[in-house]
Order: sequence, then structure tokens, then C-alpha cells
Amino acid sequence: GQNIDQPTEMTATEGAIVQINCTYQTSGFNGLFWYQQHAGEAPTFLSYNVLDGLEEKGRFSSFLSRSKGYSYLLLKELQMKDSASYLCAVRSSGGSYIPTFGRGTSLIVHP
Amino acid sequence: GAVVSQHPSWVICKSGTSVKIECRSLDFQATTMFWYRQFPKQSLMLMATSNEGSKATYEQGVEKDKFLINHASLTLSTLTVTSAHPEDSSFYICSGRSLAGEKAYNEQFFGPGTRLTVL
Repeated sequence: GQNIDQPTEMTATEGAIVQINCTYQTSGFNGLFWYQQHAGEAPTFLSYNVLDGLEEKGRFSSFLSRSKGYSYLLLKELQMKDSASYLCAVRSSGGSYIPTFGRGTSLIVHP
Repeated sequence: GAVVSQHPSWVICKSGTSVKIECRSLDFQATTMFWYRQFPKQSLMLMATSNEGSKATYEQGVEKDKFLINHASLTLSTLTVTSAHPEDSSFYICSGRSLAGEKAYNEQFFGPGTRLTVL
């Protein structure tokens, strides 16, 4: 099976930078996803990492270290609308390539 | 990204009734559709995976006779909660994945979710 761990809640100030960590244990790693989910809404895709390194996409960046079973999502120039839950999901190469989701990190951005 | 719609967006029903939720991929063919359930402040829990034209594969602990899934076409999947009870109240989310295109296997496109409340 897979074990995914991420902090339950984080707070940050508007305009700041925040890093949300995700650690995982899995056999046959085949990709890590980050999704954003606002309350009462469906998740929206943010990033996908399958190789080590940093993937940058605008204000959001995602990093992966496969040897450490570790990823982080970096949010820069925080805006109030970034207040949401951020879900880390890990896919293994076995079976039908279905990601398993972590519990999510609730990010609260305050003025 | 691709668009997935869900209908209804919310439903309130009496205990013992059945509720059908539709999930449609609007601009792509969803070879595989996934149904998730999410309780407040919890993560997405996969209920079942369905491939077009075949029976759904249910996750451990999910009753296939209670949660009926049909994936009759590449753009439509339905989830029917039969004889719903208050403990079935939850947020149900579907997502579609396509085997075609450069993002094959790399993204799931989620519907907006259906809030089910069973009285």
C-alpha cells in the first residue's frame, strides 16, 4: 500500500511564501500530483512530478526527491484566494495507475 | 484542461430512497472514470473505478450492491446510491481520465462534486 503524510493545517500572510511538504512511502513510484481544493468544490490539478527536481508554473512550484520519498509545493506571492486545501497524491506503477490521495493540508492566508 | 460535469450539484433525500448522480466528460472521452467520496475535512476516498463497457472495480469496504456504477459510454458514468441512509451523506466526486493525448495517464479531471444529504 501507500502511506502519504502532509501537515493538517498551515497559516501564512498575504504576499508571503509558503512551502507545503508531503512525504510518502510506496512501492513502484510512478508520479506525484498536487491538487488544490476549495471548500465544497472539486480538486483542480496543479502539478505533476515523476522525475527529481523542481517544476515551476507561475506562482506555484513543485519539488520531488524520489530517494527521500519527499515532495513540496511552494506557493509564492500568496493571495487570499490561495486559502484552500492542498492535496498530495501518489501513484504507483502497479495496478491501473490510480493515485492515492493524502489527507490534504488546509492553508489559511490572512491579510 | 478538460471539463467534467456532475449532476445534480446537491441533493436532499429521505432515508431509504435511491439517488442517481451523473458524471459527464464534456470535451474528451473518459476511458476510465473514478468515483470518490469525501467527508468533511477528510481526503478523497476512492470508491470505485470503471472502464467504459465493463463492470466497475470497487475498493475494499465499498458495497457494490449499494453503490451501483454504470459506465455505458465514453462520456457518461452514473453512480446510484440505493436505499440511502444518513451515514451516506457526503460529498461525491467523479473524475475522468483519457488514454489519448499527451497527458494520458497523467491527469484526472474532476467534476464539481455532488453534496448528498440523507435525512
